[in-house]
Amino acid sequence: AQKITQTQPGMFVQEKEAVTLDCTYDTSDPSYGLFWYKQPSSGEMIFLIYQGSYDQQNATEGRYSLNFQKARKSANLVISASQLGDSAMYFCAMREGPTSYDKVIFGPGTSLSVIP
Amino acid sequence: NAGVTQTPKFRVLKTGQSMTLLCAQDMNHEYMYWYRQDPGMGLRLIHYSVGEGTTAKGEVPDGYNVSRLKKQNFLLGLESAAPSQTSVYFCASSYSYGQGLPGGLNTGELFFGEGSRLTVL
Repeated sequence: AQKITQTQPGMFVQEKEAVTLDCTYDTSDPSYGLFWYKQPSSGEMIFLIYQGSYDQQNATEGRYSLNFQKARKSANLVISASQLGDSAMYFCAMREGPTSYDKVIFGPGTSLSVIP
Repeated sequence: NAGVTQTPKFRVLKTGQSMTLLCAQDMNHEYMYWYRQDPGMGLRLIHYSVGEGTTAKGEVPDGYNVSRLKKQNFLLGLESAAPSQTSVYFCASSYSYGQGLPGGLNTGELFFGEGSRLTVL
């Protein structure tokens, strides 16, 4: 069963606007970590942000923030003030732990296009 | 620091041929991973290793073998390549659970190589 769901295959956003990329996950482990990665057209994987299941506050890293709703099992990525360079694939990932800490599973990704 | 290095970056094989992808990391990470990326399917875990001499199956292990003889290296082998194995392969590594770093515990983020594009004809 797929553990990470990203329901938006493609998204468009106007430059300077904010955009939310959805991610829902499935786990019965109370301890887990959630990640977002960016993959530009050049192909490299870039780590953006991390949220631990026990973290009390939503994670933020510059223009990126993670809207963590534990009861709904969602970890949406919010990008504020979109820039042309934000056009890329975005992947949500989860590491369950500690018993399954070793595995990291990715979702299918969302393609974001920023329009000038 | 080189980080995570994959070789080769590109390879074209004929059906039935064998090959090995090499992943090397210089960050003293315990955990190493091989993923494949196909359009619309994200990254799927093939095999992974939690330490030297240990390997485990991921989501899509069939047709692949791996070895971790040295902590810094993780090899992915295709014994008899098939067209279905045409893909982009990514190696990644991370610290182990609870491993402390200056300033606190690590997040367990993956550090990725640049990817290897394999085409099987």
